[in-house]
Amino acid sequence: GQQLNQSPQSMFIQEGEDVSMNCTSSSIFNTWLWYKQDPGEGPVLLIALYKAGELTSNGRLTAQFGITRKDSFLNISASIPSDVGIYFCAGRSSGGSNYKLTFGKGTLLTVNP
Amino acid sequence: KAGVTQTPRYLIKTRGQQVTLSCSPISGHRSVSWYQQTPGQGLQFLFEYFSETQRNKGNFPGRFSGRQFSNSRSEMNVSTLELGDSALYLCASSLAGGPITDTQYFGPGTRLTVL
Repeated sequence: GQQLNQSPQSMFIQEGEDVSMNCTSSSIFNTWLWYKQDPGEGPVLLIALYKAGELTSNGRLTAQFGITRKDSFLNISASIPSDVGIYFCAGRSSGGSNYKLTFGKGTLLTVNP
Repeated sequence: KAGVTQTPRYLIKTRGQQVTLSCSPISGHRSVSWYQQTPGQGLQFLFEYFSETQRNKGNFPGRFSGRQFSNSRSEMNVSTLELGDSALYLCASSLAGGPITDTQYFGPGTRLTVL
């Protein structure tokens, strides 16, 4: 089946630093999504990407859909303590009636104030 | 607009019992998907329902089942619980689950503990 490799698994950074994480896939995705999950809560959508090469920003967050359609990255600039959490990438392989997301294992982000 | 709601938020059961979890999607959303989240396996897709029909299914045993009602609310059931079923069960809804731009929004999850 499809697999997503997300790296790094965890990051410890100082407040104000920039962060970068990425996901690679063994197969092509038509949609890449980035979610953040706080403890005890469900994932919250941060950024959605629908076209190869697309670069999208949401405040201090920027994500790109790789041109091969097999990878995506998420950057967080000028990190703040509330950025702490687990970040997941997710890919969707096709439209139509196939709405099934494949998730990466997550990147645990810790921000030291 | 209210988000996806899930009940109960926490549940403790013993091995061999069965459990039913409930999910109410965002108003107007007709597609509901269920995921299991564990520390070891991460987020794994269970199944997706649309218009009261199961459209997609993940690789879980038949003990895991679900249904969707005419108002799009969904339930999932796990029979003969095993210790390994302890997990956070997440429900996600989307408008129709069809167009590529249709996005899933997650509920807070139900934390199931099997003793």
